[in-house]
Amino acid sequence: GAVVSQHPSRVICKSGTSVKIECRSLDFQATTMFWYRQFPKQSLMLMATSNEGSKATYEQGVEKDKFLINHASLTLSTLTVTSAHPEDSSFYICSATKYPVSSSGYNEQFFGPGTRLTVL
Amino acid sequence: AQKVTQAQTEISVVEKEDVTLDCVYETRDTTYYLFWYKQPPSGELVFLIRRNSFDEQNEISGRYSWNFQKSTSSFNFTITASQVVDSAVYFCALGSYTGGFKTIFGAGTRLFVKA
Repeated sequence: GAVVSQHPSRVICKSGTSVKIECRSLDFQATTMFWYRQFPKQSLMLMATSNEGSKATYEQGVEKDKFLINHASLTLSTLTVTSAHPEDSSFYICSATKYPVSSSGYNEQFFGPGTRLTVL
Repeated sequence: AQKVTQAQTEISVVEKEDVTLDCVYETRDTTYYLFWYKQPPSGELVFLIRRNSFDEQNEISGRYSWNFQKSTSSFNFTITASQVVDSAVYFCALGSYTGGFKTIFGAGTRLFVKA
C-alpha cells in the first residue's frame, strides 16, 4: 500500500507559539507533498506544494513566513505554523505522490489523516 | 480557471433512498482528472473514484455509480439504497497540470442519511 501518516493528530497551543506538523510517507518515497488547510465545514484549500530538496511553492494568499514548509527527505515534510493565532485553528491535511509531478500521466496522491490545530 | 462546483450544500435522505450528488467543473485543460472523496466525521479522506478526461464511461461499484459527461462538464455521483454509514461530506475534485499539478476541491456536500 501507500500510507501517509501525520503527527500529531491533534494539537492545542497557546497564541504566539509555533507548532510543527509532520507528514510522513511510511512505505514509499514521496517526491512531492502537498499541504491543505480545511476550516470547519469548508473545503480543502491547497496551501503549498513541496518537492524534496527544494523550496515549497505557495498558493496565492498563503504567507510563506507564517507557514514554513520543509521537505528535507523523501519520506518527511514538515509544516510549521509560526506565531500561531486563533485564526490559524484549522484541520491541516498533507498528501504525497510517489513520483515527480509531470504532465505525462496521473500520479496518485495519497492523503494523510489530518492534524487538527486549535490555537487558544 | 480551474473550478469545481458542488451546488448542494447539504442533503438529507431516509435510509434506502437513492441520492445523487452533483458536481460541475471548469477547466481549459484537455487532460485532467476528476475525483470523488468521502470525508467521515473522523476527517480522513477516503478515495472513491478517479476518472481521466478521456474516459467518459460511467462506472458502478456496488451501491455507488458515477456519471461523467464532458458535454455538460459534470461528474455526478449516485448512491443507491443509501445507508446511515453513508453519512459524510463528499468532495468532488479536479486535478490538472495548469501551473503545475494541483487538485482543486469543490465545497463539498454534506449527506445525512436517517434511519
